[in-house]
Amino acid sequence: GQQLNQSPQSMFIQEGEDVSMNCTSSSIFNTWLWYKQEPGEGPVLLIALYKAGELTSNGRLTAQFGITRKDSFLNISASIPSDVGIYFCAGLHMNRDDKIIFGKGTRLHILP
Amino acid sequence: NAGVTQTPKFQVLKTGQSMTLQCAQDMNHNSMYWYRQDPGMGLRLIYYSASEGTTDKGEVPNGYNVSRLNKREFSLRLESAAPSQTSVYFCASIQDRGGLYEQYFGPGTRLTVT
Repeated sequence: GQQLNQSPQSMFIQEGEDVSMNCTSSSIFNTWLWYKQEPGEGPVLLIALYKAGELTSNGRLTAQFGITRKDSFLNISASIPSDVGIYFCAGLHMNRDDKIIFGKGTRLHILP
Repeated sequence: NAGVTQTPKFQVLKTGQSMTLQCAQDMNHNSMYWYRQDPGMGLRLIYYSASEGTTDKGEVPNGYNVSRLNKREFSLRLESAAPSQTSVYFCASIQDRGGLYEQYFGPGTRLTVT
């Protein structure tokens, strides 16, 4: 079945540092999604990527849809304490089977 | 979590008991999903429904059944609960709005099976 490999599993960074995480897939998706989850809450969609090569920003967040359609990365610039949480990538075949498959998440910790 | 509601928020079951988790969305989304989240495992897809009247198995469907009652509601049933089904369950929905996706998760149901 489809698998998403997300790395790193966790990150410990200093406030103000930039963060980078990525996802690779064993198969092709036509859409990549990036989410953030805070404790006790459901994931919240941050960025959606719709075509290969697309680079999209949302404030301090930037995500790219890989050319091969099998990978994506998320960057967070100038991290702040409220960036703490778990970040998930997900792949979707919209308007085909509409199945959304998630990576295992990257847990971001920010050191004081 | 705007627009997707889940009930109950918490539930404790004994092994062998049955229950139904309810999910509803009021955004007229076509596609709805049920996930379970376990520590270190991320979110795993149990079942999904691409449209009213259709349901499909996800990654971990065993031990579960679903029902897409109408466009708004998508329920998840555990016929005979097992301790391995202790987890946090999330419902989600998504809609393609002219090439831009509108997607929300519910607040989750925390289920413990003893």
